[in-house]
Amino acid sequence: EAGVVQSPRYKIIEKKQPVAFWCNPISGHNTLYWYLQNLGQGPELLIRYENEEAVDDSQLPKDRFSAERLKGVDSTLKIQPAELGDSAVYLCASSPQGGNTEAFFGQGTRLTVV
Amino acid sequence: DQQVKQNSPSLSVQEGRISILNCDYTNSMFDYFLWYKKYPAEGPTFLISISSIKDKNEDGRFTVFLNKSAKHLSLHIVPSQPGDSAVYFCAASASGQNFVFGPGTRLSVLP
Repeated sequence: EAGVVQSPRYKIIEKKQPVAFWCNPISGHNTLYWYLQNLGQGPELLIRYENEEAVDDSQLPKDRFSAERLKGVDSTLKIQPAELGDSAVYLCASSPQGGNTEAFFGQGTRLTVV
Repeated sequence: DQQVKQNSPSLSVQEGRISILNCDYTNSMFDYFLWYKKYPAEGPTFLISISSIKDKNEDGRFTVFLNKSAKHLSLHIVPSQPGDSAVYFCAASASGQNFVFGPGTRLSVLP
C-alpha cells in the first residue's frame, strides 16, 4: 500500500513569490492534516480536513496561506506571498478517521525562502 | 506555552542498553498519547500509543509508561539498537481533538 505522497520534496523561492505544495493521502483515509515543522521543534497543525471539509483551520495564517482538498482526496497548500519566516518543512498526514487514531505522515516538503 | 514538553533535546545510549525518553504535559484533559520516530529527511512514523485508561503499553522492544498524576510518560527501548537512532516525538490529544507534539528528543545509539 502506498503511503502519503508529497511533492515537491524541496523548494527554494524568493520572498514575495507564491508556492504550492501537493499531498496525496493514503487511499481511503478521510482525515488529512497539514503540519508545519520548524527546525528543532515538533510538527504544528495548520489545518485538518474531514473529507472535503476543513474542520480545524484555526492555526492557518489566512492572510497568506490557503488550502483546499478537492473531492476529499488530494490536497494543496498554498502560500502567497511567501516570507522569509515561512522557511520550514511542511508535512502532510492522513488517517482513516479523526480522533484518537495515529496519523501517517508523508516525507514532507522543505521550503527555503530567500 | 508548551503543552507537551520533552526536556532532553538529546540522549546517547550504548547499544544493548536501555533508552528512556521522557515527556511531560500540562493539560490534564489529555487522554491519548502517541510516540513517533523520525529519521532525517523522512516524515515521522508512528511507534506506539497509550490511552489514559492504561498505565503501560508494550510492543516488542518498545514500552510506554503513563503516570497520570505526574502528567508524565516515558518510552523505554530495550535493548537499544543503532537503527533506533532518530528523533522521537511525543504527542497528546484530548477527547479526540488534534494532537499536540513535543519538540522531540534526538536519540543516538552508539555501537
